[in-house]
Amino acid sequence: DSGVTQTPKHLITATGQRVTLRCSPRSGDLSVYWYQQSLDQGLQFLIQYYNGEERAKGNILERFSAQQFPDLHSELNLSSLELGDSALYFCASSAGQGANEQYFGPGTRLTVT
Amino acid sequence: GENVEQHPSTLSVQEGDSAVIKCTYSDSASNYFPWYKQELGKGPQLIIDIRSNVGEKKDQRIAVTLNKTAKHFSLHITETQPEDSAVYFCAASRTGRRALTFGSGTRLQVQP
Repeated sequence: DSGVTQTPKHLITATGQRVTLRCSPRSGDLSVYWYQQSLDQGLQFLIQYYNGEERAKGNILERFSAQQFPDLHSELNLSSLELGDSALYFCASSAGQGANEQYFGPGTRLTVT
Repeated sequence: GENVEQHPSTLSVQEGDSAVIKCTYSDSASNYFPWYKQELGKGPQLIIDIRSNVGEKKDQRIAVTLNKTAKHFSLHITETQPEDSAVYFCAASRTGRRALTFGSGTRLQVQP
């Protein structure tokens, strides 16, 4: 158990809908990263937050957004969902902005039908 | 940006044998190289990592080597056991951009 929690574990929704994925980092960790894992693209970085502020962006679509709250939990919002958004979404946390080690949560499996 | 290539994509070994997975990276500024193990239905688990100022690191049956000149690093698992069966990912990152760039993964199967 990494100490990172994610909810929900599974999510099934229809095209065009909007969903919110939630992540709670390990106790004391200030950085949260979101990654998408799909069969054709592998594990890809989406976005990073540090202590409530956006720090880095990767291959995140404009339909996706995220935020980190004062209690350090983070939410990833996916809107106007398409079939191709079906994937596993992981969040990882690390101790600080410059810290190396990232610890991953169990993921949320999103299925868009 | 960084590009990490990993091979082989699948690897089957007999229990007790050694397994080696290799990765190359493109960004010479990368200085942190972790390895993750992902079991079915779970998130990636950090199993070992190495920084660019070190050439080798060992932790029991697992070791990682780094060749900065050639820009490649490898994971070595000795005395493999069935519970080592999983997908293994290498990754790279650098100071100032800690987001990980992952390799495509290696599915390791240890035959009892």
